[in-house]
Amino acid sequence: DAGVIQSPRHEVTEMGQEVTLRCKPISGHDYLFWYRQTMMRGLELLIYFNNNVPIDDSGMPEDRFSAKMPNASFSTLKIQPSEPRDSAVYFCATRKGEETQYFGPGTRLLVL
Amino acid sequence: AQKITQTQPGMFVQEKEAVTLDCTYDTSDPSYGLFWYKQPSSGEMIFLIYQGSYDQQNATEGRYSLNFQKARKSANLVISASQLGDSAMYFCAMRERQGGSEKLVFGKGMKLTVNP
Repeated sequence: DAGVIQSPRHEVTEMGQEVTLRCKPISGHDYLFWYRQTMMRGLELLIYFNNNVPIDDSGMPEDRFSAKMPNASFSTLKIQPSEPRDSAVYFCATRKGEETQYFGPGTRLLVL
Repeated sequence: AQKITQTQPGMFVQEKEAVTLDCTYDTSDPSYGLFWYKQPSSGEMIFLIYQGSYDQQNATEGRYSLNFQKARKSANLVISASQLGDSAMYFCAMRERQGGSEKLVFGKGMKLTVNP
């Protein structure tokens, strides 16, 4: 079975540009989580969805960040406009019910 | 207050020896879950082992076991017969419910280096 799929794997952009990160969950998983990992702050939960509905977005740093899950097999995390401090690895993770949470390979974002 | 505490920033162990990675947690939720993930230098987060708060037995998965001491609120990971490929960052995490939200809270992680 395919795991969590994220794209792109690497993204380099200039400050002010829009960045869109994509995630395809494991089929049948009803929870989807977006995390950000930096050296300074570790692994932070940004937002999560249950059955495509956002449940908790308290970790979203500011209005420049938005996330959507239009259907059960796709989610996006958008940063507009991007800033150098947004540089990080962004992980998508999914799980089925109360089972184990599995992570995607991550997107390494560098904002210049 | 920190929910998950991993006090060891780094550890070194000789190949084939056992090693214990410490994790303490704090929660008022009677029902919670504890997880360990491994993050090698390649960056992916790999699930290792899970322990439920009501589980009577300590969890085991191959060379990994979880030393769960509920009264002390600790969930240490034990790796037996360590291998060079075990060199990585290790994260302890706790799933708890807060209001209508249920999420994983991660510790800061610790770096394990296995020497030949």
